[in-house]
Amino acid sequence: GIQVEQSPPDLILQEGANSTLRCNFSDSVNNLQWFHQNPWGQLINLFYIPSGTKQNGRLSATTVATERYSLLYISSSQTTDSGVYFCAVEAVGYSTLTFGKGTMLLVSP
Amino acid sequence: NAGVTQTPKFQVLKTGQSMTLQCAQDMNHEYMSWYRQDPGMGLRLIHYSVGAGITDQGEVPNGYNVSRSTTEDFPLRLLSAAPSQTSVYFCASSSFTSAEQFFGPGTRLTVL
Repeated sequence: GIQVEQSPPDLILQEGANSTLRCNFSDSVNNLQWFHQNPWGQLINLFYIPSGTKQNGRLSATTVATERYSLLYISSSQTTDSGVYFCAVEAVGYSTLTFGKGTMLLVSP
Repeated sequence: NAGVTQTPKFQVLKTGQSMTLQCAQDMNHEYMSWYRQDPGMGLRLIHYSVGAGITDQGEVPNGYNVSRSTTEDFPLRLLSAAPSQTSVYFCASSSFTSAEQFFGPGTRLTVL
């Protein structure tokens, strides 16, 4: 099946810093989503982005499908950004999402 | 809109007991799925359904059964619980048109 690798596995930031999270995948995809799992365990959909660039406030994401990677940018980070960020992909010809192992982000005041 | 709801939030079972985790959505989504989350493993797909009456296995289906008699409900059954099934279970749903997946709050299950 498709392989999904996220980097870095862990990240510690001071409040106000910017960061870039990366998701590499091993095959062509027709669906890619980024999720944030907050410290209470709730999973929130951030972006549906199989290709191109999207922005939502301080967060933006870019997927370069031909090169099989996606980037999640967090600008001016806040403590509420802490948690785990997951990338999930659906390979072409399949109907299920495969998740990466996530990037754990800690933003300190 | 309640979104995706799951019950119970917490459950402790003894080895060999059976139970059903409930999942419901009120968004008329065709696609529903169950995942388990274990430390350092991300989320792994257990079973999924593309509509009422249709279910299929995911990556880790052993020890679990599902059924989908209505669009709204997608229960997950553990027939004979084992300690290896100690995990956090998430239900999710999405529509075929938008594909964005929405998650329930999760059920934390401990099997002793």
